[in-house]
Amino acid sequence: GENVEQHPSTLSVQEGDSAVIKCTYSDSASNYFPWYKQELGKRPQLIIDIRSNVGEKKDQRIAVTLNKTAKHFSLHITETQPEDSAVYFCAAVGNRDDKIIFGKGTRLHILP
Amino acid sequence: DGGITQSPKYLFRKEGQNVTLSCEQNLNHDAMYWYRQDPGQGLRLIYYSQIVNDFQKGDIAEGYSVSREKKESFPLTVTSAQKNPTAFYLCASSIIGFLGYTFGSGTRLTVV
Repeated sequence: GENVEQHPSTLSVQEGDSAVIKCTYSDSASNYFPWYKQELGKRPQLIIDIRSNVGEKKDQRIAVTLNKTAKHFSLHITETQPEDSAVYFCAAVGNRDDKIIFGKGTRLHILP
Repeated sequence: DGGITQSPKYLFRKEGQNVTLSCEQNLNHDAMYWYRQDPGQGLRLIYYSQIVNDFQKGDIAEGYSVSREKKESFPLTVTSAQKNPTAFYLCASSIIGFLGYTFGSGTRLTVV
């Protein structure tokens, strides 16, 4: 089955700097890659996603890139703000079923 | 609460007891999922169901049971066979083929 590895587990960046979180997946048949943000004590919320026929997608300060050959995908947050502090999860979905397999998460701290 | 409701928010269980966590959605979603979240472990899939009266085991199904008698409801029972049940449990739902999950607000289960 699918396995998703996520790095780093913790990331601290200065406010205004960029943050990058990287993930790899094992199943080459996976075709959908969502990213979720989870604030303390709250439910995960979808922030951006990308499908396997696209290499990059951007939404304001957030961008996701996908390298299908290497089975890598990354989340980029630019001009970080205090409200970006949260746990971020990458995930992958295969084309055999709709279940999402999550990475272990990255705790992002935005330093003042 | 976003169309998917989990109850209770907090639950305490004595060792040896079975407890049932409720998950109800009014989104007309076909698929429903249960995840367990532990610190540093991300979200791990327990069970999922894509159609009424049918469900599949996820990665950590041992010690858990589910039922899907109605499209709107997917209760999770944590049995006494689950050796370490203290965790945060998240229910989610989605439309088959659409791939976007909607999460409930979670139930925090503690064994006392």
